[in-house]
Amino acid sequence: DGGITQSPKYLFRKEGQNVTLSCEQNLNHDAMYWYRQDPGQGLRLIYYSQIVNDFQKGDIAEGYSVSREKKESFPLTVTSAQKNPTAFYLCASSINQSGKLFFGSGTQLSVL
Amino acid sequence: LAKTTQPISMDSYEGQEVNITCSHNNIATNDYITWYQQFPSQGPRFIIQGYKTKVTNEVASLFIPADRKSSTLSLPRVSLSDTAVYYCLALNAGNNRKLIWGLGTSLAVNP
Repeated sequence: DGGITQSPKYLFRKEGQNVTLSCEQNLNHDAMYWYRQDPGQGLRLIYYSQIVNDFQKGDIAEGYSVSREKKESFPLTVTSAQKNPTAFYLCASSINQSGKLFFGSGTQLSVL
Repeated sequence: LAKTTQPISMDSYEGQEVNITCSHNNIATNDYITWYQQFPSQGPRFIIQGYKTKVTNEVASLFIPADRKSSTLSLPRVSLSDTAVYYCLALNAGNNRKLIWGLGTSLAVNP
C-alpha cells in the first residue's frame, strides 16, 4: 500500500528533553511538510522540504529541527527550546506544488 | 501575502446540500484551489481540486468563479458521517509559492 506513515501515534516529552517524530512515505514524492495543529485551530507550517538534502523554515520553525537525508524520510525533532510543544503534529507529502497533499495520521505530543 | 477566509462553523441536517465558501485574495492565477476534510485525531484528506468553473467528483463539487476570488465546496445530501472540519487551500501569487490554508469550517450534520 502506498502512503505516508507517522510514528508514534502518541508521544510524551519530559522537561528539557528532545523528541523525534518519524515520517516515512513510499509515494515517491519530492516535497514533504510538517504542520502543527492546536485544538480548534488550523494548520501552521513548521518546515518543508522540496528535495532531498534541502529544507526551508515555515512560519513557526523556532524550537524545531528537521533533516531530509532520504527522499522517503523527513523526521522532525522537537527540541527543549520549544516551550509549548503540546500539539497534534501532521506530516504530509506532495508530488509537486499543485496543492494536493497526502497526510499521515498524525502524532499527538504531550508534555509530562 | 495571500489570505483565505472561510466561515468558522456551519450546521446542517441529513439529506441537505451544504455549500461552504472560501474567499481568497492575491492567490496564484494559474494554480489549483484545493479542499480537504479532517476528522478528529486524523490527518486531512483530499476532497477535490479545481482551477476554474466547476469540477465534480463522486463526493463533492467545486465552483470557482472567473475572478477566482472565492471558491465554493458543495456537498450533496450530507449524512452524519460528513460531520468534520473542511479546509480550503490556495497558493500565494508571485514567486513566493507558499501554501495558504484557511482556518477551517467545522460542519455539524444533525439527524
